[in-house]
Formats: sequence, C-alpha cells, structure tokens
Amino acid sequence: GENVGLHLPTLSVQEGDNSIINCAYSNSASDYFIWYKQESGKGPQFIIDIRSNMDKRQGQRVTVLLNKTVKHLSLQIAATQPGDSAVYFCAENRGDTGRRALTFGSGTRLQVQP
Amino acid sequence: NAGVTQTPKFRVLKTGQSMTLLCAQDMNHEYMYWYRQDPGMGLRLIHYSVGEGTTAKGEVPDGYNVSRLKKQNFLLGLESAAPSQTSVYFCATDQTGEYGYTFGSGTRLTVV
Repeated sequence: GENVGLHLPTLSVQEGDNSIINCAYSNSASDYFIWYKQESGKGPQFIIDIRSNMDKRQGQRVTVLLNKTVKHLSLQIAATQPGDSAVYFCAENRGDTGRRALTFGSGTRLQVQP
Repeated sequence: NAGVTQTPKFRVLKTGQSMTLLCAQDMNHEYMYWYRQDPGMGLRLIHYSVGEGTTAKGEVPDGYNVSRLKKQNFLLGLESAAPSQTSVYFCATDQTGEYGYTFGSGTRLTVV
C-alpha cells in the first residue's frame, strides 16, 4: 500500500547548524501534511503543518517545504539546539480514504551534538 | 499533554487477560483516535470516533474494541490480550478531523 516514509532513520547535527528532515509520500490525493516532534516517553507534539495548495510555510525556527511534483516533504530547523533532539514524524491526511485520520511515517531521530 | 489524559500509564498483562484503556479530554473535541506505536514504526490507527456514540475502524482494528458513550471519553478495550499487542498506545483528539491532533502521553502495555 501507499505509505508516508522517511529517507533517513537517524540524523546527527552539530548544535547551531541547520537540520533538514525529509519525508516522501506516494499518495497524490493527500491534501494536508503535518510534522510532529516526539521526545522520549512523551506523546507527539505538533510542530507545523502545510496544505497542498502551499509550497512553503514558516514557523519559529522551522520551515516546511512541500514539493508535490516529486511528492516530497521536508522540515528545516534553523540553528538546531540540544532541545531539538527527538524523533520527528511526518503525517498526511489522505483525502482518498474517506477517513479523517492521519497516516504517519516511521520517523527520523534527530541527534544534536553539543 | 494538556487536555488529553490517558490512564493507566503502564500496564503488564498476561496473555488472555482483558483490560480497558481510558482517554479523557477536556477540550470538547469531536474527533478522537487511538493509535499504537511499535519500535521503529510510525503510529498506526486502531479505531477512531467522529463524535459521541460513533466509532470506526482504522488500519489495525483486530483484537480491539472501542466505545464513545460520552463525548469526552474514548475507551479502548482488549478482550483477550496477546503478546503482539505489546505496544505504546496513544490517544489523540481533534476538533474537526482536518487539523493537527493533540496527543496524550501514552500507555505502555506489555503482554507476557
């Protein structure tokens, strides 16, 4: 079946550098995408979202880019901090399922080195 | 997480035992979801509800039942637990079903 997936299971960056976490999706009917951050022992926390009629959206230190042509989603974190260390998930709302529920990717672990 | 409370936080069951996980929310959200999270995998949808008195199956509903008798509560039941149900269970809520969820802090269940 079609899934949301991630290219890199673990990403290690130096404190202060920018981080880029990637996500590939295969369902062209998906119309809404979200990035979540999950710290150890906690539930996922909403970071930023984007709708399919947009290419880019910015938040505080984070930017999400959506490339519908190649079905690719990325999360950019500027000036990465130790507190950014976590697992990051992308999720999509698949408009073709008739179900208003998110489908999640398998996650990327971000490790920030001091 | 603020607004969504899951109980219990931890539980160990023997194979064949039953239990109910409770999710309670105080945000008056219509939509509620139960997901399971296994190591190295993303969250998978078990069941969900689009309003009081309604439930629907997700991706992995077998072995689970749910009820939404009150708007603020969504219960997940395991009638006869199996080791394959060892997982971390997350409840989530959403007002419209079209935006990002608010998650609970999870229930870690081990079936031995």
